Amino acid sequence: EAGVAQSPRYKIIEKRQSVAFWCNPISGHATLYWYQQILGQGPKLLIQFQNNGVVDDSQLPKDRFSAERLKGVDSTLKIQPAKLEDSAVYLCASTADRAPITEAFFGQGTRLTVV
Amino acid sequence: TQLLEQSPQFLSIQEGENLTVYCNSSSVFSSLQWYRQEPGEGPVLLVTVVTGGEVKKLKRLTFQFGDARKDSSLHITAAQPGDTGLYLCAGEKAGKSTFGDGTTLTVKP
Repeated sequence: EAGVAQSPRYKIIEKRQSVAFWCNPISGHATLYWYQQILGQGPKLLIQFQNNGVVDDSQLPKDRFSAERLKGVDSTLKIQPAKLEDSAVYLCASTADRAPITEAFFGQGTRLTVV
Repeated sequence: TQLLEQSPQFLSIQEGENLTVYCNSSSVFSSLQWYRQEPGEGPVLLVTVVTGGEVKKLKRLTFQFGDARKDSSLHITAAQPGDTGLYLCAGEKAGKSTFGDGTTLTVKP
């Protein structure tokens, strides 16, 4: 079974630029999560999708971050404009329908550096 | 906010030594997970503990959930260089998980 796919693996941008990350969850997984992991910290949930609907985006900085999962499969996370403090690894995870968050599978992440 | 504190933050030991890392909170969790994360990779689930006082063993790793379901420990026996990584705990409550900041373990050959 293929795992959660994320791209790109690495991205370096200047502050105030825009960036987008892509995630393709495990086939058939209804729930998709985006996490931000700053160096030296644990992952922090940004947004949770159930199919193409948003379940929880309470910790998403909506003034600059946006995410979509239009067809309920793959998802994109965008930052516009980026700030220095957005430097982090952005992790995508997915679970099967009705599976608890404790059974989430994580992708390898996208390491973003904002200079 | 359900804060999870992990200690120690960093641990460097020699191959063959034993170690224990801790995950503490003032909140009660429905379950608690331990993950291992290697550089450049996402976290990989090691175990889920659900019942207060529960002990689970995974080869040389022993996980314990506190009686009050607020804290947990991970004990590794005879550590090997392959155990090197970031060990994260995450508490689950009402369908949401909160991660601690992890313990970075380095096992030297």
